[in-house]
Amino acid sequence: DADVTQTPRNRITKTGKRIMLECSQTKGHDRMYWYRQDPGLGLQLIYYSFDVKDINKGEISDGYSVSRQAQAKFSLSLESAIPNQTALYFCATNAGRGTGELFFGEGSRLTVL
Amino acid sequence: QKEVEQDPGPLSVPEGAIVSLNCTYSNSAFQYFMWYRQYSRKGPELLMYTYSSGNKEDGRFTAQVDKSSKYISLFIRDSQPSDSATYLCAMSLGGANSKLTFGKGITLSVRP
Repeated sequence: DADVTQTPRNRITKTGKRIMLECSQTKGHDRMYWYRQDPGLGLQLIYYSFDVKDINKGEISDGYSVSRQAQAKFSLSLESAIPNQTALYFCATNAGRGTGELFFGEGSRLTVL
Repeated sequence: QKEVEQDPGPLSVPEGAIVSLNCTYSNSAFQYFMWYRQYSRKGPELLMYTYSSGNKEDGRFTAQVDKSSKYISLFIRDSQPSDSATYLCAMSLGGANSKLTFGKGITLSVRP
């Protein structure tokens, strides 16, 4: 089983709908992150959490919210999806020390029509 | 100027070629320098990392860091079709401030 699991892997939705992307990890890491990836723009940090009680905005948090339900679970919500939120979304974790290496999930491809 | 700049690509080479992928950065405090490889429909995975300046070799892959020039490179020798992927450079301050800063990535295609 993957260490970082994202659900759903693919989702097509309509403008204005609420969407939740979920992430769970078995690596025992305190730190969890949500990124979006767009062609030509690379990985952009949306939100990150250093522990259950700590949530921080990243570069592009507008239109998104997150919830850290437990050390192992971090979900990303789009309250009212819009077409320019069509992207590939990645959850990642790290231990918060050493190199800072991130461990990524396999991604959730979201299409907003 | 973005903190990390990466050649945009895409890059297409014949099998067996030597590939050079490069990034420049502006923050002289970066200590750890990484290369991630991302296959289509997959998440990025760490390929190699280097601490501070110098070279590191792993099989056909060599990572180089020149902190004086704020320049890092990844060389792939005897490139194979299985090397076809997107390569992202990433850097961190290390320790408690270990949030990664990524380049935009370059897509490499190795033609059989």
